[in-house]
Amino acid sequence: DSGVTQTPKHLITATGQRVTLRCSPRSGDLSVYWYQQSLDQGLQFLIQYYNGEERAKGNILERFSAQQFPDLHSELNLSSLELGDSALYFCASSVAGSSGAAGYTFGSGTRLTVV
Amino acid sequence: SQQGEEDPQALSIQEGENATMNCSYKTSINNLQWYRQNSGRGLVHLILIRSNEREKHSGRLRVTLDTSKKSSSLLITASRAADTASYFCATGGGFDRGSTLGRLYFGRGTQLTVWP
Repeated sequence: DSGVTQTPKHLITATGQRVTLRCSPRSGDLSVYWYQQSLDQGLQFLIQYYNGEERAKGNILERFSAQQFPDLHSELNLSSLELGDSALYFCASSVAGSSGAAGYTFGSGTRLTVV
Repeated sequence: SQQGEEDPQALSIQEGENATMNCSYKTSINNLQWYRQNSGRGLVHLILIRSNEREKHSGRLRVTLDTSKKSSSLLITASRAADTASYFCATGGGFDRGSTLGRLYFGRGTQLTVWP
């Protein structure tokens, strides 16, 4: 157990639907990062939050949004889902606003399948 | 792109042999990190080497960094079947609390298979 908790582990949903992925960072970590991993795109950075505020944005579609709550857990909302959104979604956390000397701690991911 | 690129894409060896994976990148870096991913699971941080370091060891892992060539290598000595996984290099992370360089850029990875 890495200390980063992601729920749910698996999600199967239909095109056009909306889902919410949840991440609880490791205790003491202030930064949360979301990544999407697919076979054709590899690991793509989506967005970073640090202590409740958006810190950096990557290749995140407008249909996707995220937030970090006061208790530091984060949610990634995916809407108007398309078949191409099927992927593994990872959350990672770090103590500071950067990866620091110890790197990221990753959760085990949510496997999203859009049918 | 800041993404690292690993080479080879796939590597298949016998237990006890050494495995070497390479990573090339295009921009200047603060540090370079290596991660391992077992099939369908989260990535695990293995080792970080700073831009002013040339070599670092951690157990059976040895990482080198050549900033003049913008390349790094990961050597796993005396490999075991349990080392079977994908290995990724990542660049872009900073150290400062106020750094905007928190995001990491990952390559496509090297799939290592170690046969018993």
